Amino acid sequence: AQTVTQSQPEMSVQEAETVTLSCTYDTSESDYYLFWYKQPPSRQMILVIRQEAYKQQNATENRFSVNFQKAAKSFSLKISDSQLGDAAMYFCAYRRGSGTSYGKLTFGQGTILTVHP
Amino acid sequence: EPEVTQTPSHQVTQMGQEVILRCVPISNHLYFYWYRQILGQKVEFLVSFYNNEISEKSEIFDDQFSVERPDGSNFTLKIRSTKLEDSAMYFCASSVLAPYNEQFFGPGTRLTVL
Repeated sequence: AQTVTQSQPEMSVQEAETVTLSCTYDTSESDYYLFWYKQPPSRQMILVIRQEAYKQQNATENRFSVNFQKAAKSFSLKISDSQLGDAAMYFCAYRRGSGTSYGKLTFGQGTILTVHP
Repeated sequence: EPEVTQTPSHQVTQMGQEVILRCVPISNHLYFYWYRQILGQKVEFLVSFYNNEISEKSEIFDDQFSVERPDGSNFTLKIRSTKLEDSAMYFCASSVLAPYNEQFFGPGTRLTVL
């Protein structure tokens, strides 16, 4: 079974600074996807960034980027130029490849990010 | 922008009672999911649903649970006889076509079983 681990229950960052959230996962699959979801206090989870395991290039979405280390099974999220609106719970999630999956997401425990003005 | 909606936002029920949690997925989406999050714990997958059938379910999704798409817009999760341990936040999600498309989540229903 696949597992996802986020070892940082809480992180904090000063506005405009950079913060990195950690995630490790365990799988025997070679075809999979990794995601970071953001859950603001309003509770609706939104997708921040996605990484396909077959792609060597790290995904980037504006101020958000990942460091995907496939051999180490590590998938960290870097938030640059942090903004007050980035404050939320962040979940790392795993999904098996499309050929063997109906879409089930396996989530980590979450990291609460606080942004200080 | 289209979004997934869920009702009610909070449901309180007595142990042993049946509850139905409702979700309206995004209109052109075809894959539907339920997840739950017990307070302080991980978000856990319950079930996926496509073409009026369950595609995949977790060990949590036992005979007490059922899902249904009763019409063209609603997707429901029924818990037949609630237990204290069913108290959790329940999230509905949907995706447009194949499962590898992005899942869009609703705001959740907080279920409290007394």
